Amino acid sequence: QSVLTQPPSVSAAPGQKVTISCSGNSSNIGDNHVCWYQHLPGTAPKLLIYDSNRRPSGIPDRFSGSKSDTSATLGITGLRTGDEGDYYCGTWDSSLNAGVFGGGTKLTVL
Amino acid sequence: QVQLQQWGAGLLKPSETLSLTCAVYGGSFNFYSWSWIRQPPGKGLEWIGEINHSGSTTYNPSLKSRVTISVDSSQNQFSLEVTSVTAADTAVYYCARESRYRSNTWTWYFDLWGRGTLVSVSS
Repeated sequence: QSVLTQPPSVSAAPGQKVTISCSGNSSNIGDNHVCWYQHLPGTAPKLLIYDSNRRPSGIPDRFSGSKSDTSATLGITGLRTGDEGDYYCGTWDSSLNAGVFGGGTKLTVL
Repeated sequence: QVQLQQWGAGLLKPSETLSLTCAVYGGSFNFYSWSWIRQPPGKGLEWIGEINHSGSTTYNPSLKSRVTISVDSSQNQFSLEVTSVTAADTAVYYCARESRYRSNTWTWYFDLWGRGTLVSVSS
């Protein structure tokens, strides 16, 4: 049982847009910044978003992040088959004094 | 180009101690904290704990009693030990470079990861 809640799966057609939600509480998302990772099969996770809405160098602007109260959202536009994989949100939990992740969302590009 | 290279035993028996090491090549070791994260088969990511260059640690409360993370700053390496392993500790274990700091709110993320080590616990 993950501290942060994500939908198990989302899907959309190539070229379309998809959003992935991440829900927490006042001690984690409500109090701290959110990060997002892309995890493709056989590879290490890759940082897509940090500080809730900032992209590291080299991450295309097809990927965006937002946060409101105790929820965060990852948006991906112009979907490609290469985007298929698992996506995780994460944040620091001030009450647990620990990092926490969502359970992951499997993205399928139909 | 900073790289993380990790190694350690991949097959353990119940009650044994898991031991992994991660070496940092090509970058500033002392500027960051360093973490271990694991992913059990078919499950999500779980943060295990962190250490900075001076040896200060923070652990996931759910694992704290069995986990030790240590650092050798002279070698730019950090290590993970998990005692009394069970099948539930079977996972891919990743080392990662962590940024964690607080202004008004905590910023926390991993921008560099090792390739992962599959550790299986089986009798």
